[in-house]
Amino acid sequence: DGGITQSPKYLFRKEGQNVTLSCEQNLNHDAMYWYRQDPGQGLRLIYYSQIVNDFQKGDIAEGYSVSREKKESFPLTVTSAQKNPTAFYLCASSWQGHSPLHFGNGTRLTVT
Amino acid sequence: ELKVEQNPLFLSMQEGKNYTIYCNYSTTSDRLYWYRQDPGKSLESLFVLLSNGAVKQEGRLMASLDTKARLSTLHITAAVHDLSATYFCAAPRRTSGSRLTFGEGTQLTVNP
Repeated sequence: DGGITQSPKYLFRKEGQNVTLSCEQNLNHDAMYWYRQDPGQGLRLIYYSQIVNDFQKGDIAEGYSVSREKKESFPLTVTSAQKNPTAFYLCASSWQGHSPLHFGNGTRLTVT
Repeated sequence: ELKVEQNPLFLSMQEGKNYTIYCNYSTTSDRLYWYRQDPGKSLESLFVLLSNGAVKQEGRLMASLDTKARLSTLHITAAVHDLSATYFCAAPRRTSGSRLTFGEGTQLTVNP
């Protein structure tokens, strides 16, 4: 079955540590996205990539980094520079054009 | 800058009743997306509205788009408990059609 796999589902880290969230898709989608969701709020775009080896900053890119070395994979690193990293992180992918986003099941990151 | 506003943000209704969720967006767009999110889960695509006057229906949910008024509605008919969820609308940005701006979400609770 095609889909988007995010891992891990839950992640706990100490402040000051970098952490990488995995996102893999087998939908053959060109575009991939990372969103952040805080309790009771909508989604905010962190980074997106429309083709391999290229990505752009979204609205809240500070303290995050990404790579897109393969079409299937778009990992997100939350660095120690991110001031408030505790959140629910959602990865999505889509065809180019008008197609809707397909979301992974999310990673809930807690930093203490 | 594109802003997407939903109202109401919280909606508690009884089973069997009808209600409408509104989604206003601030800049011209010919597309609008609706998503559903169950508590602690990811987002699921409900509707893609691609033109002015577009209407889509699935079960007890019907979505419509008025691009001139910059307004989309999600109408719930004869609500049932299974419809309890948070509903998000999202519109694409003019500068990059693949980047969506999400509303804050409408948290719907259907009571028996």
